Amino acid sequence: DQQVKQNSPSLSVQEGRISILNCDYTNSMFDYFLWYKKYPAEGPTFLISISSIKDKNEDGRFTVFLNKSAKHLSLHIVPSQPGDSAVYFCANDMRFGAGTRLTVKP
Amino acid sequence: DAGITQSPRHKVTETGTPVTLRCHQTENHRYMYWYRQDPGHGLRLIHYSYGVKDTDKGEVSDGYSVSRSKTEDFLLTLESATSSQTSVYFCATLKGNYNSPLHFGNGTRLTVT
Repeated sequence: DQQVKQNSPSLSVQEGRISILNCDYTNSMFDYFLWYKKYPAEGPTFLISISSIKDKNEDGRFTVFLNKSAKHLSLHIVPSQPGDSAVYFCANDMRFGAGTRLTVKP
Repeated sequence: DAGITQSPRHKVTETGTPVTLRCHQTENHRYMYWYRQDPGHGLRLIHYSYGVKDTDKGEVSDGYSVSRSKTEDFLLTLESATSSQTSVYFCATLKGNYNSPLHFGNGTRLTVT
């Protein structure tokens, strides 16, 4: 049974610095890992994904890294902006992690 | 938001009463999902549908039922609401293949007193 875990409930960084959000999983059977971003009073929105056959995917300021041997993925945001303040979820096979609340301070 | 409308946006109800939440989509997506969001648990799948009259259980389906009589509508019913079902409920649709991103509605905040 797949489990997706985000062990850091919150992260605070200074504007312009790097934000690194982490995610661990227990089952390697499924093809894609996705990251979603959620603002208050809105539904989650898709941010970036990575295929299990890759180890990196980049989209502008957002990069996701996948380490299959460690069953770990991370989302890097560089440079972080105050508008990035939100809750970030990683997901795989309809299962979501508990989320990490990112606060970017001006 | 892939044309997803959830109604109502907010509801307060009493323990033991039935409650139905509605999800309406305009994009003709085949797959639809109901999730609940709770602190410390993230988003948990309640039920999903892969077509009209075709539904299946998710990881937290106890106490919930669903119906899909039309492609555009996916209803979530709490047969007898309990305080543990106080949550924010999100509907989502899937466009494309299984690995495509989900598109979410803006949620329904349900409070059971």
